[in-house]
Amino acid sequence: DAKTTQPTSMDCAEGRAANLPCNHSTISGNEYVYWYRQIHSQGPQYIIHGLKNNETNEMASLIITEDRKSSTLILPHATLRDTAVYYCIVRAGGSQGNLIFGKGTKLSVKP
Amino acid sequence: DGGITQSPKYLFRKEGQNVTLSCEQNLNHDAMYWYRQDPGQGLRLIYYSQIVNDFQKGDIAEGYSVSREKKESFPLTVTSAQKNPTAFYLCASQKVGFSRGAEQYFGPGTRLTVT
Repeated sequence: DAKTTQPTSMDCAEGRAANLPCNHSTISGNEYVYWYRQIHSQGPQYIIHGLKNNETNEMASLIITEDRKSSTLILPHATLRDTAVYYCIVRAGGSQGNLIFGKGTKLSVKP
Repeated sequence: DGGITQSPKYLFRKEGQNVTLSCEQNLNHDAMYWYRQDPGQGLRLIYYSQIVNDFQKGDIAEGYSVSREKKESFPLTVTSAQKNPTAFYLCASQKVGFSRGAEQYFGPGTRLTVT
């Protein structure tokens, strides 16, 4: 699975959009981009995943660049409860292997 | 309400004792996983199982054992051979045979402290 690079930490004002970047320059054609988050002392929570088209669900939007070498997770109206570590993971479609979690981005939403 | 349950949330044991962590899912998922997380670190895979009565070692299987007698259950035993067992343990499950890309769902975790 391809490696990902994320900033260590980011701040966001409550009510504003949080844009979390991720680089995955070695991504292969059959690899999906997944985003998870982990609130302190809880299990990771699945957010969204995509292959090449932009995706949106009730939690977030995922924007993947045309060359697929980077992506951005957008939380449109961040709340204090969105404070968490956000993980960007690249993984082959159909894979049943483990998810490889790096250090992620610590997002702090401030009032 | 479908999901993954882990019990207990907190567990305390004396050094030298084996301890078994429970993981149950009612999502009808075939694959189940055990991860370990240490403070400030990402998750590391201990064991995983893609089908009943079969499982494979992950990156850090030494000192751990598992069983998969039922599809819904994947208990993890932390043995006395595990040198540094104090950690946060997470169980996950995933639907298989899904080429589009399938997400793993995680339980709430068990925080094990061994003294």
